[in-house]
Amino acid sequence: GDSVTQMEGPVTLSEEAFLTINCTYTATGYPSLFWYVQYPGEGLQLLLKATKADDKGSNKGFEATYRKETTSFHLEKGSVQVSDSAVYFCALRAWGAQKLVFGQGTRLTINP
Amino acid sequence: SAVISQKPSRDICQRGTSLTIQCQVDSQVTMMFWYRQQPGQSLTLIATANQGSEATYESGFVIDKFPISRPNLTFSTLTVSNMSPEDSSIYLCSVDGARGEQYFGPGTRLTVT
Repeated sequence: GDSVTQMEGPVTLSEEAFLTINCTYTATGYPSLFWYVQYPGEGLQLLLKATKADDKGSNKGFEATYRKETTSFHLEKGSVQVSDSAVYFCALRAWGAQKLVFGQGTRLTINP
Repeated sequence: SAVISQKPSRDICQRGTSLTIQCQVDSQVTMMFWYRQQPGQSLTLIATANQGSEATYESGFVIDKFPISRPNLTFSTLTVSNMSPEDSSIYLCSVDGARGEQYFGPGTRLTVT
């Protein structure tokens, strides 16, 4: 079945460091891919999305590129801030499917 | 994007009791989804609720334990029945966006003692 694998956390970085959170997926066909963020004590917020191969989603300085050849959708940010501390979830939605399939989440802590 | 509210935001319940969680959307939607997020875990879909029909449950979830109502196009409820400590989780509802994404409510944090 469809699945998403994220890099294990937790991840701890210093402010202004470069961030990469790896995400790979298994799915039939051409899924849509998403990154969601969950700040402490809050619900999930959509961070960015990509719906076809080579699409780049971007928002708030975060970027991720849909790589069909490597079945990956890695999240990157050039310079993280303390306010980026949160749990990040990679997710997919298979074509024609109703549900989202989530990765296990990666907890990110940014130290000043 | 849709604005989604949930009530209650959190609750502490005794085992053996039931809790009904409400989800309200600010626009009419065809499908509403209910997810569970167990402590430190990812999200798992419980069921999909269409207005005017019975909810469709994912493997491992049954109607007797998680009855769902969907009386109109902007509202749904999820009941967690005969609770045990293993039901302690965050319960989230969501709706579809325009391009395959889903938008989530703030969640209901349930603790069962």
